[in-house]
Amino acid sequence: GAGVSQTPSNKVTEKGKYVELRCDPISGHTALYWYRQSLGQGPEFLIYFQGTGAADDSGLPNDRFFAVRPEGSVSTLKIQRTERGDSAVYLCASSPGLGEADTQYFGPGTRLTVL
Amino acid sequence: QKEVEQNSGPLSVPEGAIASLNCTYSDRGSQSFFWYRQYSGKSPELIMFIYSNGDKEDGRFTAQLNKASQYVSLLIRDSQPSDSATYLCAGHMNRDDKIIFGKGTRLHILP
Repeated sequence: GAGVSQTPSNKVTEKGKYVELRCDPISGHTALYWYRQSLGQGPEFLIYFQGTGAADDSGLPNDRFFAVRPEGSVSTLKIQRTERGDSAVYLCASSPGLGEADTQYFGPGTRLTVL
Repeated sequence: QKEVEQNSGPLSVPEGAIASLNCTYSDRGSQSFFWYRQYSGKSPELIMFIYSNGDKEDGRFTAQLNKASQYVSLLIRDSQPSDSATYLCAGHMNRDDKIIFGKGTRLHILP
């Protein structure tokens, strides 16, 4: 595709449920980032992948959050036992690779609402 | 100290004037910086990146980087109402090789 796509665009779930958020990066981009953005805040780093491996997952808030990128392309962010505090927009971005001036291209985001 | 800091605003600027947005960062080894624009309800879109000291110009936008003072700025000349948005500063942190965003500055261009 021409840009980064994310599905679903909106997800409403109940507290305690499991959710999966999908990101399809720009073809050929080796680096993939997940961020979480709450109202009035900048994107908060969660995890990034270089290829298939998680190069840095230090931003994941706790062990309920997990992300995979098994074939180095599509990535899935998984949240177990969702809590109301997980409600936010989850943004995915991809870039051609890591380097001094690597530009990230953002997807439209998934708005997660935990009731 | 937060890694990338911005004044949250709002910053109000008359149409046609110069809007000046500032950002400071804590990791002295950071190499490159980005300015993103984010409209309400939309995802961030890149305006400019800069990695050398000095100024970088692109149309109405000028990014400025001063590594000695650890600040980055964005100037918007001939401000238009369509420039009203939140502007996010981001830095590529050298020590752990990830990109960190500031909270953003809300800019309001007054018609």
